[in-house]
Amino acid sequence: DSGVTQTPKHLITATGQRVTLRCSPRSGDLSVYWYQQSLDQGLQFLIQYYNGEERAKGNILERFSAQQFPDLHSELNLSSLELGDSALYFCASSGGLSSYNSPLHFGNGTRLTVT
Amino acid sequence: GESVGLHLPTLSVQEGDNSIINCAYSNSASDYFIWYKQESGKGPQFIIDIRSNMDKRQGQRVTVLLNKTVKHLSLQIAATQPGDSAVYFCAENRDSSYKLIFGSGTRLLVRP
Repeated sequence: DSGVTQTPKHLITATGQRVTLRCSPRSGDLSVYWYQQSLDQGLQFLIQYYNGEERAKGNILERFSAQQFPDLHSELNLSSLELGDSALYFCASSGGLSSYNSPLHFGNGTRLTVT
Repeated sequence: GESVGLHLPTLSVQEGDNSIINCAYSNSASDYFIWYKQESGKGPQFIIDIRSNMDKRQGQRVTVLLNKTVKHLSLQIAATQPGDSAVYFCAENRDSSYKLIFGSGTRLLVRP
């Protein structure tokens, strides 16, 4: 068990809808990362937060947004969903500001299916 | 279980044999590397890491080798067990940046 908790495990929704994915990092970790994993893209970095502030952005669509709350849990909001958004969404946490020398520990993901 | 990818290279080994999984990286500025294991239905699990000032690092039954000259990383698993069956990813961190870049993965199948 990595100590990173993601909810829900599965989510099925229709195109055009909006969903929120939740992540609780490992106790003591200040950094939260979101990754998307689809069959043809592998693991793609979306965004990172450190102690409540956005620190790095990757291939995140404008329809997607995230935030990290004072208790350090994070939410990833996906709106105007399209079929191509169907994927596994992983949250990871680490203790440091950078992923350098501070391995990311992943949750078990949320499987999003858009129909 | 769910597939991580439909077109992953696959390594099939006999139980008890040693496994070697390879990874090539392209950016010479990468300075930190990690191997992850992903089992069906689970998130990537940290196995071992290595910094660019090292050539080799050993863990329990695993060894990571780094060849910076040819930008190559390998993961050796000794006495491979059925529980080692999974998809293995290498990941690199560039210039102490905030994100890890993941490779496309290799599927390891262990034959009983």
